[in-house]
Amino acid sequence: AQKITQTQPGMFVQEKEAVTLDCTYDTSDPSYGLFWYKQPSSGEMIFLIYQGSYDQQNATEGRYSLNFQKARKSANLVISASQLGDSAMYFCAMKSGNQFYFGTGTSLTVIP
Amino acid sequence: DGGITQSPKYLFRKEGQNVTLSCEQNLNHDAMYWYRQDPGQGLRLIYYSQIVNDFQKGDIAEGYSVSREKKESFPLTVTSAQKNPTAFYLCASAEGWDSFYGYTFGSGTRLTVV
Repeated sequence: AQKITQTQPGMFVQEKEAVTLDCTYDTSDPSYGLFWYKQPSSGEMIFLIYQGSYDQQNATEGRYSLNFQKARKSANLVISASQLGDSAMYFCAMKSGNQFYFGTGTSLTVIP
Repeated sequence: DGGITQSPKYLFRKEGQNVTLSCEQNLNHDAMYWYRQDPGQGLRLIYYSQIVNDFQKGDIAEGYSVSREKKESFPLTVTSAQKNPTAFYLCASAEGWDSFYGYTFGSGTRLTVV
């Protein structure tokens, strides 16, 4: 069964606008962690943000925030004030039990 | 600076050859992982190691082998038994197998069969 689902293969956003990248997950564990990574064309995976399943507040890191809706099992990434350098692949991931699951990614293109 | 170094960045392999991808970390992390990335398929786990001299198969281990003789090093060998080895390979490490902190990734090796 798919553990992490990213339904948007590609997204476009105008520079300086905000964009939301969708992620839903599936787990029966009460304790889990949710992550977002950025992968630019150079290939390295860059950690962006983390949300624990027991965290009461949504995680934020600079222009990145994670919209965590536990009942809906969603963990959407919001990027505010998009910049040209934000153009990349974005992966949602979940640590559940002893396994780490990745989604198939969303390609984000920022338009000048 | 601490991090993970993967080498080489690009690798070309002839049919029937074994090749070894290097992964070295100086983060003092216990756990290390190898992932394969194909377009549109996200990351798939090949092998992982929780401690030195121990490693476990992931979801797509067939045609691959690893060793973990030192904490810092986790090389991956792509054998001739791997029928479709052309892909992007990522190495990662974490403080511990049960750590809730994210992985630190290397910059990847792109393997092409010629």
